[in-house]
Amino acid sequence: KAGVTQTPRYLIKTRGQQVTLSCSPISGHRSVSWYQQTPGQGLQFLFEYFSETQRNKGNFPGRFSGRQFSNSRSEMNVSTLELGDSALYLCASSLVPGGNNEQYFGPGTRLTVT
Amino acid sequence: AQKITQTQPGMFVQEKEAVTLDCTYDTSDPSYGLFWYKQPSSGEMIFLIYQGSYDQQNATEGRYSLNFQKARKSANLVISASQLGDSAMYFCAMRERASKIIFGSGTRLSIRP
Repeated sequence: KAGVTQTPRYLIKTRGQQVTLSCSPISGHRSVSWYQQTPGQGLQFLFEYFSETQRNKGNFPGRFSGRQFSNSRSEMNVSTLELGDSALYLCASSLVPGGNNEQYFGPGTRLTVT
Repeated sequence: AQKITQTQPGMFVQEKEAVTLDCTYDTSDPSYGLFWYKQPSSGEMIFLIYQGSYDQQNATEGRYSLNFQKARKSANLVISASQLGDSAMYFCAMRERASKIIFGSGTRLSIRP
């Protein structure tokens, strides 16, 4: 069974640009969550999607957005990039959200903003 | 509000010894789940073990066990017979009923040969 895949793995963008990251969950998993990991702030929750609906949202500005498609694949978008957006962006999938459902993480997308 | 605390930024352990990584949490929700993840230098987060708030017994998965002390709000990870491949960052995480997962700041474990 294939794991969670994220594309691209590495990305370099310039301040002011926008970026779209993609996540394909494990087959059969319908919940997808996104996290930002930085040395200073650690792992921070961005948002969670289930059945194409956003269920939870972290404390990030509106420049960060996401969506989920009917096949459970998810994308996140960051507009008007800032230097502080440089981070490892991790996607995780689970069968359904909540409770004791294990989340399986993808390898991440490392975004560098210059 | 939910909160996770890992007080050990880094630890060094001799190969084959057991190691305990500390994690304390705070929540007002009686229903919650506790998770431990391992993050090697490659960056991928690897799920290790889960403990539910209503579980009567401590969770175990191979060499990993979770020392769950509910009254103390403690969920320490115990790794028995440590191996060189255990060197990594370890994160404790918690999720309330229908809420987001929050992570602790992590502990960097280094295994000495």
